[in-house]
Amino acid sequence: ELKVEQNPLFLSMQEGKNYTIYCNYSTTSDRLYWYRQDPGKSLESLFVLLSNGAVKQEGRLMASLDTKARLSTLHITAAVHDLSATYFCAVRGSYIPTFGRGTSLIVHP
Amino acid sequence: DTAVSQTPKYLVTQMGNDKSIKCEQNLGHDTMYWYKQDSKKFLKIMFSYNNKELIINETVPNRFSPKSPDKAHLNLHINSLELGDSAVYFCASSQATGGASSTDTQYFGPGTRLTVL
Repeated sequence: ELKVEQNPLFLSMQEGKNYTIYCNYSTTSDRLYWYRQDPGKSLESLFVLLSNGAVKQEGRLMASLDTKARLSTLHITAAVHDLSATYFCAVRGSYIPTFGRGTSLIVHP
Repeated sequence: DTAVSQTPKYLVTQMGNDKSIKCEQNLGHDTMYWYKQDSKKFLKIMFSYNNKELIINETVPNRFSPKSPDKAHLNLHINSLELGDSAVYFCASSQATGGASSTDTQYFGPGTRLTVL
């Protein structure tokens, strides 16, 4: 059974600081996704990582994938309040997408 | 135009009732999903349909029955509602084009908040 673990589950940080969210998964997969969910809202796709060493960046967020370590990271650079949300990683195993428990990020002024 | 839509947005009902949630996507995708998100934000897949055929049926009570009249619609019917069914239910769709470069990114609907009293 595919397990996906995210850490930390809660993250409170100040504006302007950098931080990394980690996503570990237990079995081989060929797709890793990062989603953002604002409070009371739906999930929005941020990144799809397809291969070992893949790196994608959008604004202050950068995601990377190491398939050998079964690890993806979501790096936040110079955080701003608008990044406050819950971030999920998800891994596709066989046909079943499995989500991590999410990281609730709060960015303080 | 909303890509993935769900109705209703909110559903408040009594234990023991039967209710349905509807989902429609206008993205032309061939795969649709139902997820349940609990109060701790844990997101778990319930069902997936590909071209109107069930391909994923995770361990959910058989009180939950999905129906796909066509590949743009996937409805969820719930019988004999229980307190533990209270959650947010998300519909999603994706397009699997095949091959190593296919992303299968899922597009989520706005969610239906179900409260069972």
